[in-house]
Amino acid sequence: EPEVTQTPSHQVTQMGQEVILRCVPISNHLYFYWYRQILGQKVEFLVSFYNNEISEKSEIFDDQFSVERPDGSNFTLKIRSTKLEDSAMYFCASSANLAGGISYNEQFFGPGTRLTVL
Amino acid sequence: EDQVTQSPEALRLQEGESSSLNCSYTVSGLRGLFWYRQDPGKGPEFLFTLYSAGEEKEKERLKATLTKKESFLHITAPKPEDSATYLCAARHKGGGADGLTFGKGTHLIIQP
Repeated sequence: EPEVTQTPSHQVTQMGQEVILRCVPISNHLYFYWYRQILGQKVEFLVSFYNNEISEKSEIFDDQFSVERPDGSNFTLKIRSTKLEDSAMYFCASSANLAGGISYNEQFFGPGTRLTVL
Repeated sequence: EDQVTQSPEALRLQEGESSSLNCSYTVSGLRGLFWYRQDPGKGPEFLFTLYSAGEEKEKERLKATLTKKESFLHITAPKPEDSATYLCAARHKGGGADGLTFGKGTHLIIQP
């Protein structure tokens, strides 16, 4: 069964450093998303991406964040200068397999990258 | 502002003891109500999508229902392996690229 994969599973960084979180969405999916979940809190939407551009972003997704689809398979989230409050689990998700077999609207999540900012 | 509220926050049941989890939403122009299961340290696992009031979907011991203001996840004769956090999420616009608004989840523990 196809699945979303994310690397690394755990990233430790110093405050002020740049980090790049990587995701490989489900093949043939068209929409890609990043969410975060601070420990003990709810899952929060960050950004959606379609047709090589940002479709929607939340208030959390400020100028420190950027997303990119550098090739046909990877989808990345970059945090330019990490802060202590960026420590969270970051989930990538994808949806809309127009090849059929999977409903258009369901978002399928990866296992997450735990980001720890020291 | 779109909101999704889940109750109870935590629920402890005996194996075989059926119950229901609640998700109430205030979303303008609902375009899908989603249920996910999340195990500790893992990503949300998709369970159901509901689109219109009166709709029901089932999967093994789980059944999800939807009204105009809330959704229920009914768990029938649960087993210990059903222990997890169950998340409800709503999508408020049309189109595939819109983010989901999640509730805080219900932490379900099934005791053998």
